[in-house]
Amino acid sequence: DGGITQSPKYLFRKEGQNVTLSCEQNLNHDAMYWYRQDPGQGLRLIYYSQIVNDFQKGDIAEGYSVSREKKESFPLTVTSAQKNPTAFYLCASSPSGTGISPLHFGNGTRLTVT
Amino acid sequence: DAKTTQPNSMESNEEEPVHLPCNHSTISGTDYIHWYRQLPSQGPEYVIHGLTSNVNNRMASLAIAEDRKSSTLILHRATLRDAAVYYCILTSYNFGNEKLTFGTGTRLTIIP
Repeated sequence: DGGITQSPKYLFRKEGQNVTLSCEQNLNHDAMYWYRQDPGQGLRLIYYSQIVNDFQKGDIAEGYSVSREKKESFPLTVTSAQKNPTAFYLCASSPSGTGISPLHFGNGTRLTVT
Repeated sequence: DAKTTQPNSMESNEEEPVHLPCNHSTISGTDYIHWYRQLPSQGPEYVIHGLTSNVNNRMASLAIAEDRKSSTLILHRATLRDAAVYYCILTSYNFGNEKLTFGTGTRLTIIP
């Protein structure tokens, strides 16, 4: 089945460590996105990529970095510069970046930093 | 960007229809109405979308007001698995998915 795979489902790190969250899709979608969700809140966009080797900052990019070397992969690194990294991280993709292409989401990675 | 307004929460009895409202009074002529839902500890999933006419699919129906300033997502027979947060979002060819706003949505509780 086609879809988006995020791994791991749960991740625990010590403060001051960088951590990379994996996102892989086999839907052949051009556009990919990373969102952050805090308890009881909506989704906030961290980074997005419309095409391979290109990505743009979203609303809350500080303390995060991404790469898009392959169409199917869009890993997110949470750096030690991110002040409040504990959150639920969601990766999504869409066939194109246009606003009417439905987003397909992974099942998220819950990151806890202590 | 056009915004939507949804009730924070709703309750419904199992096996009864559910009508989830969404107001979008500043919608433009090129805006589509999309609905997603998010089950606990999962990513959101696409439910349905429409432009002007009412739409039906296997998951739900979407009723769009004639002036397009509001819409209603209809779950015809709610089950416990429909308990989720439902998001109503406006999208357009004129802007990319990066402009979409997922607010806090409507938390739907199904009563057995």
